[in-house]
Amino acid sequence: QVHLVQSAAEVKKPGSSVKISCKASGYTFIDNAIHWVRQAPGQGLEWMGWINTDNGNTKYSQKFQGRVTISRDTSATTAYMEVNSLLFEDTAVFYCAREGNGFYSDYWGQGTLVTVSS
Amino acid sequence: EVVLTQSPATLSLSPGERATLSCRASQGISTYLAWYQQKPGQAPRLLIYDASKRATGIPARFSGSASGTDFTLTISSLEPEDFAVYYCQQRSKTFGQGTRLEIK
Repeated sequence: QVHLVQSAAEVKKPGSSVKISCKASGYTFIDNAIHWVRQAPGQGLEWMGWINTDNGNTKYSQKFQGRVTISRDTSATTAYMEVNSLLFEDTAVFYCAREGNGFYSDYWGQGTLVTVSS
Repeated sequence: EVVLTQSPATLSLSPGERATLSCRASQGISTYLAWYQQKPGQAPRLLIYDASKRATGIPARFSGSASGTDFTLTISSLEPEDFAVYYCQQRSKTFGQGTRLEIK
C-alpha cells in the first residue's frame, strides 16, 4: 500500500530555513509527481509547488517562487521541501501529496508542523 | 492564474439531508477539478477527481458534476462522519477557500 511519511515537527527562528522530508513507499517513486501544500492554522489549503520525481523538474506557485526549493532523492524514494527566510506567518502544517494518474492528489503525508517563533 | 470560488462558506444541515457544495472557476479548466474532504487534525482525503469520478473507496453518496466553469459536489444523504471541510482544486494546483459543512 502507498504511504507518504513526513519528517517530525520543527520549531524555527525567523530568518532561518527548514527542510521537510517526505518518504514514499508502496509504489514506484519515479512514476508519480509529488506536490507540497501549506495550511496555516485555521486556514485553507495552499498549493506551493511540485516536482517531477523522474527528471527532477519543478514548478512553484508564484507566491513561493524564490523562497521554496523542492528536490528529491530517487535512491531514497524521498522528496524534500525547503523554505528559506522563514517568517512568523510561515507557521503552518506542510503536506506532501502524490499526484495520481491525472490532475489530482490521491495520497497524502500526515503533515509536518513548522512553528516559527523567536 | 485560475481562481476557484467556493460557496457557501458554511453549510448547516442535519444527518440524512442532501448537501450541495459549489465551486466556480474564473476561467475554463475543462474537467480537471478534484474535491477533497478534511477533518480536524487530518490530511485531506481525495473524494472526486476529473469533476465526476469517485476515488477508490469513496461511498456512492458522494457525486460530482460540472457545467462549464461551475462544479458541484453533492452528498445525497449526510452521514455523521461527513461533517467536515471540503475543498476543490484545479489541475493539481490552486484550491478553493473551502466550505465548512456543519451539523445543524
